[in-house]
Amino acid sequence: RKEVEQDPGPFNVPEGATVAFNCTYSNSASQSFFWYRQDCRKEPKLLMSVYSSGNEDGRFTAQLNRASQYISLLIRDSKLSDSATYLCVVTRFGGSQGNLIFGKGTKLSVKP
Amino acid sequence: DGGITQSPKYLFRKEGQNVTLSCEQNLNHDAMYWYRQDPGQGLRLIYYSQIVNDFQKGDIAEGYSVSREKKESFPLTVTSAQKNPTAFYLCASSTIAGGTEAFFGQGTRLTVV
Repeated sequence: RKEVEQDPGPFNVPEGATVAFNCTYSNSASQSFFWYRQDCRKEPKLLMSVYSSGNEDGRFTAQLNRASQYISLLIRDSKLSDSATYLCVVTRFGGSQGNLIFGKGTKLSVKP
Repeated sequence: DGGITQSPKYLFRKEGQNVTLSCEQNLNHDAMYWYRQDPGQGLRLIYYSQIVNDFQKGDIAEGYSVSREKKESFPLTVTSAQKNPTAFYLCASSTIAGGTEAFFGQGTRLTVV
């Protein structure tokens, strides 16, 4: 089992839709949690950090549930420009992957 | 401005040739990473380093080599032993203690000709 698992996708949604991405992690020693966005043929860029209290940035809401070892990202009123791959990233000191563990990513396509 | 810089952006390699990809950061990060990404696939870890003069193999280290002589620099050499090197290569850096995000370079697209 992978240490970080994401919905396989792809997600194809119409403009204006609400879409939710889920991510689970298996190691309870995981420290920090992030969502990254990767556009085609570009480097991943930080979208949001994820906190237990939940955090919101405009149309984006991220949530962490440590008890269930689960992270989510909600995108409301999706735009064509939201089309990208969304990566769940977990940090854990002393892990076999260095400190960064990536999910495989979930591709989102927003259609007119 | 602080950041992480990869060069070149595009690189062409002949069969049997070694090539070196550059990665430099001025973020004072201890940890640096190299990933390979194939079309439509996730990131796969090649090597990482958490301190100068030390580095660890990732999942797909065969055919690659690295060095970490300076904190700021973590070059990756793609050797002739790597049979299928055509891919997008990404370098990243982060703090060791965790709690902060990783930063990525813009990537190098390597093509064998």
